[in-house]
Amino acid sequence: ETGVTQSPTHLIKTRGQQVTLRCSSQSGHNTVSWYQQALGQGPQFIFQYYREEENGRGNFPPRFSGLQFPNYSSELNVNALELDDSALYLCASSLAFGRGPTETQYFGPGTRLLVL
Amino acid sequence: GDSVTQMEGPVTLSEEAFLTINCTYTATGYPSLFWYVQYPGEGLQLLLKATKADDKGSNKGFEATYRKETTSFHLEKGSVQVSDSAVYFCAAASDSNYQLIWGAGTKLIIKP
Repeated sequence: ETGVTQSPTHLIKTRGQQVTLRCSSQSGHNTVSWYQQALGQGPQFIFQYYREEENGRGNFPPRFSGLQFPNYSSELNVNALELDDSALYLCASSLAFGRGPTETQYFGPGTRLLVL
Repeated sequence: GDSVTQMEGPVTLSEEAFLTINCTYTATGYPSLFWYVQYPGEGLQLLLKATKADDKGSNKGFEATYRKETTSFHLEKGSVQVSDSAVYFCAAASDSNYQLIWGAGTKLIIKP
């Protein structure tokens, strides 16, 4: 059984650019959540996808968007990058049913994004 | 809104010392509670969890008990090792919500 993987591991972009981060869920998991972790802080929930549909969203602007594919892999897209978007972006997969109780989430190693 | 508060770090201890990292939560209903650990250069790993009042989660010598009356989930270990040095996060997931609410993290430094 493979764990959660993310790519790339590191990325450097300039302000105003767009970025796509990728995540492969753990085998058998149908739910993926994305988090932003600024340096020295706890993760902040961006959004969650269940069976290819957005299943909830945190306090992030619309320029943060996502996709989940039929194989349950996922992408996080960020448009019009700002300096404050520099952070570690974490993907977590779980097995959850609709909007029911959150099952244990298993995290990938993250993508570290630096916006200059 | 829901929130998780954990003690600020860094916490510095000598090897074999007793560890307590405090965590309290504010949430509607009866959330599931988690401790995650982040070792240097690695991703978040689930350390232990508890899903209802009075449950005790345990793993790798760490324990935490879900205390509904004090809305707490303090992490304890009887004898820490240098390899326990990491950042520890407390998190809560309400059964009416779909997201994890996280504490700010506590950096633990264990000296030989």
